[in-house]
Amino acid sequence: SAVISQKPSRDICQRGTSLTIQCQVDSQVTMMFWYRQQPGQSLTLIATANQGSEATYESGFVIDKFPISRPNLTFSTLTVSNMSPEDSSIYLCSVGTSQGRDYEQYFGPGTRLTVT
Amino acid sequence: AQTVTQSQPEMSVQEAETVTLSCTYDTSESDYYLFWYKQPPSRQMILVIRQEAYKQQNATENRFSVNFQKAAKSFSLKISDSQLGDAAMYFCAYRSRGNQFYFGTGTSLTVIP
Repeated sequence: SAVISQKPSRDICQRGTSLTIQCQVDSQVTMMFWYRQQPGQSLTLIATANQGSEATYESGFVIDKFPISRPNLTFSTLTVSNMSPEDSSIYLCSVGTSQGRDYEQYFGPGTRLTVT
Repeated sequence: AQTVTQSQPEMSVQEAETVTLSCTYDTSESDYYLFWYKQPPSRQMILVIRQEAYKQQNATENRFSVNFQKAAKSFSLKISDSQLGDAAMYFCAYRSRGNQFYFGTGTSLTVIP
């Protein structure tokens, strides 16, 4: 398994500002992802963080709004830019690990963002 | 596109009893992965159990077991001897070989003392 930490755990931000969320994993992983979970909802994939190249964004998410960095195999950041109240959500970092044909995916504790 | 359906928004179970949470999915793939995650009020997503589609044997993890019916595209979670700490939101998830990951809408489980 992988142990994932995120910082900050929560924040309250004013609209128009930006927040960068950090994700640290205790081991090198190939696959890292960022998800959003809006209140009372399921998880939605924002993007796959690729080490050494630009992130791969899902439909409805763009780099200008959610820039992602992945400088190495244990760390990634997600920035929520020019925030509006609609961005209030929990943001979760996730990693995937493979061993042979087996695959597991783990999640960080999440960052609860409130935009006022 | 693959979809994951959890038809039970809420379930409840008496402490020490058994409960089954339902999940169905739609896919044209033959090789994929299925997961159940638990999300307590602390919001930490915890991997409960996983099943690889190529394995015929149902996965078991202590009090948690699955009933994987590949032909029916069904993947239910059985929790035996329910405990108060099992109360949480449970999400069923599907992962394709191509790295696409899909979550169901969740089932909120209440455990009654």
